[in-house]
This record gives sequence, structure tokens and C-alpha cells, in this order.
Amino acid sequence: AQSVSQHNHHVILSEAASLELGCNYSYGGTVNLFWYVQYPGQHLQLLLKYFSGDPLVKGIKGFEAEFIKSKFSFNLRKPSVQWSDTAEYFCAVNALTVFGNEKLTFGTGTRLTIIP
Amino acid sequence: DGGITQSPKYLFRKEGQNVTLSCEQNLNHDAMYWYRQDPGQGLRLIYYSQIVNDFQKGDIAEGYSVSREKKESFPLTVTSAQKNPTAFYLCASSKGVSGLAGFNEQYFGPGTRLTVT
Repeated sequence: AQSVSQHNHHVILSEAASLELGCNYSYGGTVNLFWYVQYPGQHLQLLLKYFSGDPLVKGIKGFEAEFIKSKFSFNLRKPSVQWSDTAEYFCAVNALTVFGNEKLTFGTGTRLTIIP
Repeated sequence: DGGITQSPKYLFRKEGQNVTLSCEQNLNHDAMYWYRQDPGQGLRLIYYSQIVNDFQKGDIAEGYSVSREKKESFPLTVTSAQKNPTAFYLCASSKGVSGLAGFNEQYFGPGTRLTVT
């Protein structure tokens, strides 16, 4: 079964700092990859996604993520964070198998706090 | 304005009572999902439905039940058999479950916070 690891549970940064949140998954075949964000008091929304093609994907609000198949990773990055980026971030993986698609599996989340 | 609605936002129940959480979508999506979110545990799948009148257990289905009588509705019942029902419950939907062309991209509702005392 697939699994997803987010090793950073809580990250605290100052405004304008660069951000990288780690995400590793366990499945060795074809995958769809997602990053979701949950702002305080708001519902979960899609930040960016990877299905195929260019492994560097760009999402909303200046976020990007790079799919590195050899490392089973899909790390989220932003060159300069803002106070409004304070939120919880979830990585999710969907394995595509010959028997059908596995369920979407979420990581445990990373809480990001930006200090003004 | 398309989306997913969950009601109510907050729900309080006494231990031993069953409670049903509502989820409605007007996105014309075939697939719908229920997740439970607990601090430090991420989202865990309770049940999902790929099509009307069909649903499958997720990773933590014990103590929960669902129905899918209409395409737009997927209510979740938290029964008295659920040992630790206090949690934040999220409903989601997707066009389908195929990995092609983003069919499995999930859209989430605002959630219902259930407190059982």
C-alpha cells in the first residue's frame, strides 16, 4: 500500500524567507501528486498538482513543487514567504495501478507559521 | 456557484447517539469521499463512493455508515459504535477515480466539527 511522509510537522519562518516542505511517498509506479493547503478557518484547497510531463509544477500564490521520481519526493517550495502563507499544508499521492487507482493518501500535514 | 456544502459547521451530540452529517455537491461529480481530520494525523479516508448506489470502505470505516442514493448527496452517519467520534469531518468530490486528465482531483467542502460528550 502507498504511504506518504511529511517530516516537517511545524515550520516557523520569518517573512521573506525561502520555504521548502518535504514530501516522500512509498509507491514505485506511476503516481499523481498533490499539495493541498488549509488556511485558518477555511476549507482545504488545491495548491498544485502533478500528473505527467514537466516535473516542475507551478501552483497558485507563487508556490512550486518538483517531482523527483528517483527520490520518491515531491517537495513544495516558495522563494519568499508572506504572513498570509500561514496555514497547514498536506501532500497527497494517488497510485495508478493496473488494477485501478489506489485511494488518495494524505500525509500528516505540516503547519507553517510565518512571523511578520 | 458550484461547490460542496456541508452542514452544520458545528455539531454537538451526547455519547450513545447516532448523528448524520450532510454533504451535497453541485459539481456533477461521480465520486464522493468522507475523511476524518485529527491533529497530527492528516486526513484519513472513512468511505468513498464512485457512483450512485455504490460505496466502499476506506481505511477507518468502523463505526460509520454512508448512503449514496443521489449523485449530489453523500451523507455520513457516525454511529454509537464509533469509539472516538469527536473530530473534524471533511467531504470531498471528484469527477471520477481515473488518473487520466485529473479526474481524481478532489474538491473539499468546509467541514463539520463534531463534538461528542
